[in-house]
Amino acid sequence: DAKTTQPNSMESNEEEPVHLPCNHSTISGTDYIHWYRQLPSQGPEYVIHGLTSNVNNRMASLAIAEDRKSSTLILHRATLRDAAVYYCILRSNNDMRFGAGTRLTVKP
Amino acid sequence: DGGITQSPKYLFRKEGQNVTLSCEQNLNHDAMYWYRQDPGQGLRLIYYSQIVNDFQKGDIAEGYSVSREKKESFPLTVTSAQKNPTAFYLCASSVRINTEAFFGQGTRLTVV
Repeated sequence: DAKTTQPNSMESNEEEPVHLPCNHSTISGTDYIHWYRQLPSQGPEYVIHGLTSNVNNRMASLAIAEDRKSSTLILHRATLRDAAVYYCILRSNNDMRFGAGTRLTVKP
Repeated sequence: DGGITQSPKYLFRKEGQNVTLSCEQNLNHDAMYWYRQDPGQGLRLIYYSQIVNDFQKGDIAEGYSVSREKKESFPLTVTSAQKNPTAFYLCASSVRINTEAFFGQGTRLTVV
């Protein structure tokens, strides 16, 4: 069973911020929260990951709730190239299971 | 350049034939994974390996087999027992759970 819950789809306007939510109410203390995105007919691409604290990198920011039962991927200024399926996954051992993800549409 | 390579990109086979998909990485990663993706769906875990000469079944291992004789290679065989093998197959590798995983560009298998 998938351990994360994400909306099936979201829309955003170009150059506006996007907040992609992920619920993981059964997260354990050793689970890392990872985000990947997948463009059509390509392999997924790593976006960001974190454990407890918020994280920033050149692609995005990851905001993790204090109880760790939810997280939000933040794209600060969406571009057309950000249109993809975004996956939120938990990793606590060396298996790596994906859910259905959120399909992000970016409108010009 | 370091990375993970899947070959071929497109593969066609006749029904009833076994076929082996290649996955090679030169990232010195211990863990490797195989996924299947059907149109409009997420990734489903077939097999994974944490170390050479060891591998575990994922959620949909029936009809598939793997080997891990070398750290850099994790081939997947789609056997004739797999009832619906036409799909997009993805391979990935990683060092640890707190590092990023790298994916290949996938192999699209069509069985006719």
